[in-house]
Amino acid sequence: DSGVTQTPKHLITATGQRVTLRCSPRSGDLSVYWYQQSLDQGLQFLIQYYNGEERAKGNILERFSAQQFPDLHSELNLSSLELGDSALYFCASSELAGGGEQYFGPGTRLTVT
Amino acid sequence: GESVGLHLPTLSVQEGDNSIINCAYSNSASDYFIWYKQESGKGPQFIIDIRSNMDKRQGQRVTVLLNKTVKHLSLQIAATQPGDSAVYFCAEKKGYNFNKFYFGSGTKLNVKP
Repeated sequence: DSGVTQTPKHLITATGQRVTLRCSPRSGDLSVYWYQQSLDQGLQFLIQYYNGEERAKGNILERFSAQQFPDLHSELNLSSLELGDSALYFCASSELAGGGEQYFGPGTRLTVT
Repeated sequence: GESVGLHLPTLSVQEGDNSIINCAYSNSASDYFIWYKQESGKGPQFIIDIRSNMDKRQGQRVTVLLNKTVKHLSLQIAATQPGDSAVYFCAEKKGYNFNKFYFGSGTKLNVKP
């Protein structure tokens, strides 16, 4: 158990809908990262937050947004969902803003029908 | 994104043998590399990291070798065990304080009893 929790574990929704994925980092970790893992694209870095502020941005679509709250939990919002958004979404956390070990959560499996 | 690729998509080894998983990266500016292990149904798990000012780093039963001349990274697992069966990813990052990680597509390691 990495200490990172993600909810929900599974999510099934229809095209055009909007969903919110939630992540709670390990106790003491200030950085939260979001990744998308799909069969044809592998693991893709989406975005990082550190202590409430956006730190780094990867291949995140404009339809997606994220935030980190004062209690350090983070939410990833996916809107106008398309079939191609079906994937595993992982959250990871680390103590520092840069470098070091990242601890991954169990992931949320999103299926868009 | 940058290209981080793996030479062999699947590697089968006998229990007790040593395993070597390879990874090529394309960006010579990358200065930090991580190997992750991902078991079926779980999030990636940190194995070992290495900075570009090193060419070798050892952990428990694992060794990472970095050859910057040919931009090649390898993970050696000694005395491979059935519990080592998983997909292994390498990831590269440009700058210790810059958190855009680029992941390879992964190598599946099958350990035969």
